[in-house]
Amino acid sequence: GENVEQHPSTLSVQEGDSAVIKCTYSDSASNYFPWYKQELGKRPQLIIDIRSNVGEKKDQRIAVTLNKTAKHFSLHITETQPEDSAVYFCAATAGGTSYGKLTFGQGTILTVHP
Amino acid sequence: GAVVSQHPSRVICKSGTSVKIECRSLDFQATTMFWYRQFPKQSLMLMATSNEGSKATYEQGVEKDKFLINHASLTLSTLTVTSAHPEDSSFYICSASEHGGVGIEQYFGPGTRLTVT
Repeated sequence: GENVEQHPSTLSVQEGDSAVIKCTYSDSASNYFPWYKQELGKRPQLIIDIRSNVGEKKDQRIAVTLNKTAKHFSLHITETQPEDSAVYFCAATAGGTSYGKLTFGQGTILTVHP
Repeated sequence: GAVVSQHPSRVICKSGTSVKIECRSLDFQATTMFWYRQFPKQSLMLMATSNEGSKATYEQGVEKDKFLINHASLTLSTLTVTSAHPEDSSFYICSASEHGGVGIEQYFGPGTRLTVT
């Protein structure tokens, strides 16, 4: 099955700095890679996603890059703000008969200091 | 659009009792629903995938006789934790998609905090 590794586990930055979170996956058949933000006790919220036919996607301060050859993808947050502080999860979806089930990374606790 | 609700949001039960958690898609029909479990400071772990009208597919290591999943309609799936024990205390989250498939966005419910005493 799919295995997703996420690094770092914690990330502390100053307001205005950039933050980068990296994930690797094992299943070369995976072709959909969403990123979620989860605040304490709340549901995961989709912040951006990328499909395997695209190398990069950007949405305002958030961008995701995908390297299918190396099987890794990254989340980039620019101009970080204190409200960006949360736990971020990457995930991967394999094809076939999986019905789109997600395998999540271990999570990154992002703290943005004002 | 794409709202998923869960009920109850919190439940405390005694060891040995059963607890039912409901997951509803409020404004769309969910062919596929997923159930996750999240322990404190850990990631979401998929427990099972359910498709309307068919038996759920459980992930390896998840006891299907302990975690009963029913997806009887396109808007409702239920998870019953039978004979709950303290180690079952966790945050249970469901998600739903309009039709199962790769790249189809899953919409998450708000989660249910289960505490077994």
